[in-house]
Amino acid sequence: AQSVTQPDIHITVSEGASLELRCNYSYGATPYLFWYVQSPGQGLQLLLKYFSGDTLVQGIKGFEAEFKRSQSSFNLRKPSVHWSDAAEYFCAVWGPSGTYKYIFGTGTRLKVLA
Amino acid sequence: GAVVSQHPSRVICKSGTSVKIECRSLDFQATTMFWYRQFPKKSLMLMATSNEGSKATYEQGVEKDKFLINHASLTLSTLTVTSAHPEDSSFYICSARALAGGGNEQFFGPGTRLTVL
Repeated sequence: AQSVTQPDIHITVSEGASLELRCNYSYGATPYLFWYVQSPGQGLQLLLKYFSGDTLVQGIKGFEAEFKRSQSSFNLRKPSVHWSDAAEYFCAVWGPSGTYKYIFGTGTRLKVLA
Repeated sequence: GAVVSQHPSRVICKSGTSVKIECRSLDFQATTMFWYRQFPKKSLMLMATSNEGSKATYEQGVEKDKFLINHASLTLSTLTVTSAHPEDSSFYICSARALAGGGNEQFFGPGTRLTVL
């Protein structure tokens, strides 16, 4: 069965520091991969997605993610975090099972220190 | 970009009453809409998948008689929480998959906060 693991429940970084949020997936083939951000009380905003091609994907707000097939990972990175990046981040996968269902990770809550 | 709206954004109701939540795709037609439930500080749990003109497919453990889903058009799906109880209080989020392009991306609504007293 497909699954998504986000090992870090909480991460705290200082403003201006670099950030990496981990995401590992379990799937037989290469899934479609997504990162979403959710601010408190809000819906989900797509940061970036990977379907195929270049394994380094650029997204909005200065985020990028790298797909590593050998590690079944799709980690999210940002070189310099801003206070406004404090939010909940979700990794999601979608596999061509015909049902178009997303599977979400449990999320990582990011706290940014001034 | 594709926009999905939800109405209402917040609703408070008394125990035993029914609440309807609307999900609309504003600038695209959606073959499939999804309803998720999110508990505090938790991830999104898929409740059901609805396809326009057909019955919704519910995930295991989700009561179909309690969470009625209707997808009457390509731009509107509704979730009705029937005989709501305090344990139904949650954040409900819908998403929509576009008809055109066979896309694999879902576009999410802003969510509806349901509080049952």
